[in-house]
Amino acid sequence: GNSVTQMEGPVTLSEEAFLTINCTYTATGYPSLFWYVQYPGEGLQLLLKATKADDKGSNKGFEATYRKETTSFHLEKGSVQVSDSAVYFCALSTPRNFNKFYFGSGTKLNVKP
Amino acid sequence: DAGVTQSPTHLIKTRGQQVTLRCSPKSGHDTVSWYQQALGQGPQFIFQYYEEEERQRGNFPDRFSGHQFPNYSSELNVNALLLGDSALYLCASSFSGRYQETQYFGPGTRLLVL
Repeated sequence: GNSVTQMEGPVTLSEEAFLTINCTYTATGYPSLFWYVQYPGEGLQLLLKATKADDKGSNKGFEATYRKETTSFHLEKGSVQVSDSAVYFCALSTPRNFNKFYFGSGTKLNVKP
Repeated sequence: DAGVTQSPTHLIKTRGQQVTLRCSPKSGHDTVSWYQQALGQGPQFIFQYYEEEERQRGNFPDRFSGHQFPNYSSELNVNALLLGDSALYLCASSFSGRYQETQYFGPGTRLLVL
């Protein structure tokens, strides 16, 4: 079956620190991989995506590389800001399931000034 | 270009009541999916509507039902509400004609069952 596992939070960092949030997946077929971000009291916003192995998704300084050999899609940012404080969700979808999304449990990031 | 919209934003109901949540998809999108997000958890897939039919369903009881209208908007109905139905309900829309299409989420409806 399909599933996503994320590192548990919360993750607390100082401003300008390096961020890594780990995400691994199990999937049948060839999934697309996504990172979504959720700010307090809001819905989910797409942060970045990758649709095939070795693709790198990037947006707003965040990056993640689709690693088929390790079934991973870790989120990274070189220098976090206080405004990056939010909950981050890793997700996958497969065409076989009509692009139904499978989400991880989320990782809360707190960035302190 | 309006994104995905949902109504109402908040709702309070009591056990045993029924509730209807509404969603309008992003312009150009024809597929609507509904997710339940319990506090501190990731969203869980409820079902997906395409061409006014339920195309796929997650592991939710029949108390959860839905509808899609010719203009692609959708409703989620929950009957016989339980305390455990308290959650954020998210609607997501996408376009069926593109491979590996991204889903775009609305702001959600926060349901509290007392």
